[in-house]
Amino acid sequence: RKEVEQDPGPFNVPEGATVAFNCTYSNSASQSFFWYRQDCRKEPKLLMSVYSSGNEDGRFTAQLNRASQYISLLIRDSKLSDSATYLCVVTVNQGGKLIFGQGTELSVKP
Amino acid sequence: NAGVTQTPKFRVLKTGQSMTLLCAQDMNHEYMYWYRQDPGMGLRLIHYSVGEGTTAKGEVPDGYNVSRLKKQNFLLGLESAAPSQTSVYFCASSWDRRTRVNSPLHFGNGTRLTVT
Repeated sequence: RKEVEQDPGPFNVPEGATVAFNCTYSNSASQSFFWYRQDCRKEPKLLMSVYSSGNEDGRFTAQLNRASQYISLLIRDSKLSDSATYLCVVTVNQGGKLIFGQGTELSVKP
Repeated sequence: NAGVTQTPKFRVLKTGQSMTLLCAQDMNHEYMYWYRQDPGMGLRLIHYSVGEGTTAKGEVPDGYNVSRLKKQNFLLGLESAAPSQTSVYFCASSWDRRTRVNSPLHFGNGTRLTVT
């Protein structure tokens, strides 16, 4: 089993749709969680950290479920510019080994 | 403040040749990482370092060596390149001991390596 697994893509949605991605992790000692966005094989860029209580940044909401060992990302009112690959990242200890999921591709159509 | 700088940006090697990829960061980060990215595979951790003079294996370390002689530099070496090492390589850094924040990763722009 991979340490971090994401929903297989691609997700093709119309503008304005709500889309959700899930990511599961296998190590119960994992401490920090992030969502990154990657465009056209450029370097990944941080989208948002994921906190235990859940957090929101505009149209983006991240949730963490430690009991079930998964994190999620919800995007509301999708824009064309949201088209990208979304990567979840999990760390086992502070700043230590960081493992990426394989990424989920999102394509938002007019 | 340049962030994370990788050199070279592109390289073509023949099977059996060796090379070193250089990663430099000016953010005083403790931790540095080398990842490779292949289509459909996401980013896979090759090696990482949690401080000057220390290195550790990641998910796919075979065929690579690393060194962290200076805090700001993390070198990735390919001793005898193979076509399977054709990939995009990303370096990243994190963890500012001064602020004690588990900072997210800062990435370089990537190195596109082709082994023929």
